[in-house]
Amino acid sequence: DIHMTQSPSSLSASVGDRITITCRTSQNINRFLNWYQQKPGKAPKFLIYAASDLQSGVPSRFSGSGSGTDFTLTINSLQPEDFATYFCQQTYSSPFTFGPGTILDIK
Amino acid sequence: QITLKESGPTLVKPTQTLTLTCSFSGFSLRTTGAGVGWIRQPPGKALECLAVIYWNDETWYNPSLMNGLPITKDTSRNRVVLTMTNVNSVDTATYFCAHARRDFDVLTGFYPTFDSWGQGFLVTVSS
Repeated sequence: DIHMTQSPSSLSASVGDRITITCRTSQNINRFLNWYQQKPGKAPKFLIYAASDLQSGVPSRFSGSGSGTDFTLTINSLQPEDFATYFCQQTYSSPFTFGPGTILDIK
Repeated sequence: QITLKESGPTLVKPTQTLTLTCSFSGFSLRTTGAGVGWIRQPPGKALECLAVIYWNDETWYNPSLMNGLPITKDTSRNRVVLTMTNVNSVDTATYFCAHARRDFDVLTGFYPTFDSWGQGFLVTVSS
């Protein structure tokens, strides 16, 4: 199975900040990388697919980049509703593994 | 608008069978390309894909899981059911169902994209 890591595991930031979360994979997955946002007790929200394509309805302050084994999720000008946990997922090969998550909280 | 909701027992004893139901609206499993998947998250651990069923009855299962977990659909009632046999404590998790878009790429073949999720349902396996 493809192993996923994320860094940092947690991050404190303020409204208006720009933050970056990194996702690394144990093997080359081309650009088959998704990002999700999860809030406690809520349904995970699909943000980005194919490493950099924004899902319909996702604010443009979210962006993704990368290919191969290194990927980033960037959020520009953090809004109060952005404080959540973020997961990456590879869809290059079964069983389509997820990263452990990055908790983004308010400083 | 797509919505999904998971339901089932909150507490199951070891060795028992766990049956989870995903009830959904906003799409149909008669639609080409549509599917429903199950994903779980044990406490403090990463999400894990379990199974997917598509409109054409094609299924995918996580090869690492040994629970004999058939996934079935009831198209007319907009429901998908996941059955896990012989559960044990490692199956304690929040279980999510999600709308799965059946995507294709020449590099990878078919793969699911989970683009709408239910809020999840905590199942505890304990005697």
